[in-house]
Amino acid sequence: AQSVSQHNHHVILSEAASLELGCNYSYGGTVNLFWYVQYPGQHLQLLLKYFSGDPLVKGIKGFEAEFIKSKFSFNLRKPSVQWSDTAEYFCAVNALGGSYIPTFGRGTSLIVHP
Amino acid sequence: NAGVTQTPKFQVLKTGQSMTLQCAQDMNHEYMSWYRQDPGMGLRLIHYSVGAGITDQGEVPNGYNVSRSTTEDFPLRLLSAAPSQTSVYFCASSPLDRVAPGELFFGEGSRLTVL
Repeated sequence: AQSVSQHNHHVILSEAASLELGCNYSYGGTVNLFWYVQYPGQHLQLLLKYFSGDPLVKGIKGFEAEFIKSKFSFNLRKPSVQWSDTAEYFCAVNALGGSYIPTFGRGTSLIVHP
Repeated sequence: NAGVTQTPKFQVLKTGQSMTLQCAQDMNHEYMSWYRQDPGMGLRLIHYSVGAGITDQGEVPNGYNVSRSTTEDFPLRLLSAAPSQTSVYFCASSPLDRVAPGELFFGEGSRLTVL
């Protein structure tokens, strides 16, 4: 069974700082990868996804993520964060050809100070 | 665009009471699921369904029942509420694609407090 690790549980940044949130998964086969964002008091929504092709994917609000197959990683990045990026971020993995059930990481809480 | 609709948004129960959290989606998604979200625990899968008449247990199924009589609806029942079931519950759906599992569409959540 696959597992997902998000190493940063809490991140505090000032506006304009750069962001990188780590996500590593354990599964030897082909995967689809997702980052979801949950703004305070709201439901989860998709930030970006990787299915195939260019390993650098761009999402909404200036976020991007890079799939590095050799490292089993799918780290989320943003060059300059804003106060409105304060949220919880979840990495998720779906194994192709296996269960339909995505595996979620435990989430990273990001607080951006103005 | 209704998407995934959950009701109620807030509920307070006493220990031992029963209730049903409703979830409906209008996207004709075969896959539906229930998660609970607790601080520091992330999302934990309670039950899921891959189509009408088919349900299965997730990671934390104890104390919860589900049924799937239609493609659209996937209610979650708490038979005898316990304080440990105080949580935020999310329903999520997705098209069923075994070759390329896709993104989940989440409801807005139901905050349940059990006293």
